[in-house]
Amino acid sequence: ETGVTQSPTHLIKTRGQQVTLRCSSQSGHNTVSWYQQALGQGPQFIFQYYREEENGRGNFPPRFSGLQFPNYSSELNVNALELDDSALYLCASRTEGGNTIYFGEGSWLTVV
Amino acid sequence: AQSVTQLDSQVPVFEEAPVELRCNYSSSVSVYLFWYVQYPNQGLQLLLKYLSGSTLVESINGFEAEFNKSQTSFHLRKPSVHISDTAEYFCAVSRGSGSARQLTFGSGTQLTVLP
Repeated sequence: ETGVTQSPTHLIKTRGQQVTLRCSSQSGHNTVSWYQQALGQGPQFIFQYYREEENGRGNFPPRFSGLQFPNYSSELNVNALELDDSALYLCASRTEGGNTIYFGEGSWLTVV
Repeated sequence: AQSVTQLDSQVPVFEEAPVELRCNYSSSVSVYLFWYVQYPNQGLQLLLKYLSGSTLVESINGFEAEFNKSQTSFHLRKPSVHISDTAEYFCAVSRGSGSARQLTFGSGTQLTVLP
């Protein structure tokens, strides 16, 4: 049990639509990051939030955006969905100064 | 920049046999190293980690990994595998200064334990 919960677990969207994925972390985990895991590949870092500000970003376009809230929850938003956005999206969190990152179960997104 | 190479995409092995999953990394700075396991249709679970100190680290379920700085490797081993060890295993690296930064993952190794 990592204490990181994500919703929804599965969803299907149409190309061009927008999607919001949600994550709830443990109390005290004020650093949250999101990863995209395409089928058969390792997770790829999307971005990281610390104290509600983005402080790191991977090689993803601006249509991938996020929010972090004071209650240790966060969101990943993806606009103008493309077929290649179909993947497992993983939320991960850690404490300030922590050196271990804990992952949620993920949200499976299928774009048709 | 960091990168991780997992040399074997699939490793089939018979139950109770030993196994080694290989991982090599490249980085110009000191690193933290991790192994995560992913069971079918689940998220990632931390298996073990190297931060500093002893180069041999162990997990509670019999896996161990050894950090080899000269060979830039962090291979995962288990002397006797069980059917329940069947899963995808990911090696990951983060910058090793202060708190862990974002993880860079390898492409994964599917371990299949055969009866």
